[in-house]
Amino acid sequence: SAVISQKPSRDICQRGTSLTIQCQVDSQVTMMFWYRQQPGQSLTLIATANQGSEATYESGFVIDKFPISRPNLTFSTLTVSNMSPEDSSIYLCGSKNRHTDTQYFGPGTRLTVL
Amino acid sequence: KNQVEQSPQSLIILEGKNCTLQCNYTVSPFSNLRWYKQDTGRGPVSLTIMTFSENTKSNGRYTATLDADTKQSSLHITASQLSDSASYICVVSPYNQGGKLIFGQGTELSVKP
Repeated sequence: SAVISQKPSRDICQRGTSLTIQCQVDSQVTMMFWYRQQPGQSLTLIATANQGSEATYESGFVIDKFPISRPNLTFSTLTVSNMSPEDSSIYLCGSKNRHTDTQYFGPGTRLTVL
Repeated sequence: KNQVEQSPQSLIILEGKNCTLQCNYTVSPFSNLRWYKQDTGRGPVSLTIMTFSENTKSNGRYTATLDADTKQSSLHITASQLSDSASYICVVSPYNQGGKLIFGQGTELSVKP
């Protein structure tokens, strides 16, 4: 199994600012994902982080708002840009290897925007 | 549209009792169906995973069933413990979609002493 850590675990930010969330996996993985989980809701996929190329975004999410980096097979960042209170949520990182079925999740970053 | 729906939305049971959570899905075809447990403030952790051809899978006190004909799955928890209090999420992986997952909204289980 993969162990995933995220930093920061939580943050309180002012509207209009940006926050970068880091995701570190303890082993090389083929696929990394970023999710949002709003209060009382399940997970919604924001994008798939691709190593060496631009991330693949889901409908409703755009690169200008959620720029993603993936410089290698164990690390990725998600930036929440120009934040508003509607961005208050938990952001989770997920990882999966191409030839296995299980996706593992980080503990999440709880973001509050004032 | 691919959807996963769970019931009940929330459930309260006494410690030591059994319970069953339901999941209905419209995802077809699919690679596998998983049940995840998500403790408050944590990321989801996989409990069971079943492929299209499997009917049941156990993991300790957790037993998942799958009926691919009716597109239903259930998670049965035996002899519940206080630590079972969590959100249980049914997740379906559509076939050949690069690892994407379709999440149910979860069932919030509370086990009381």
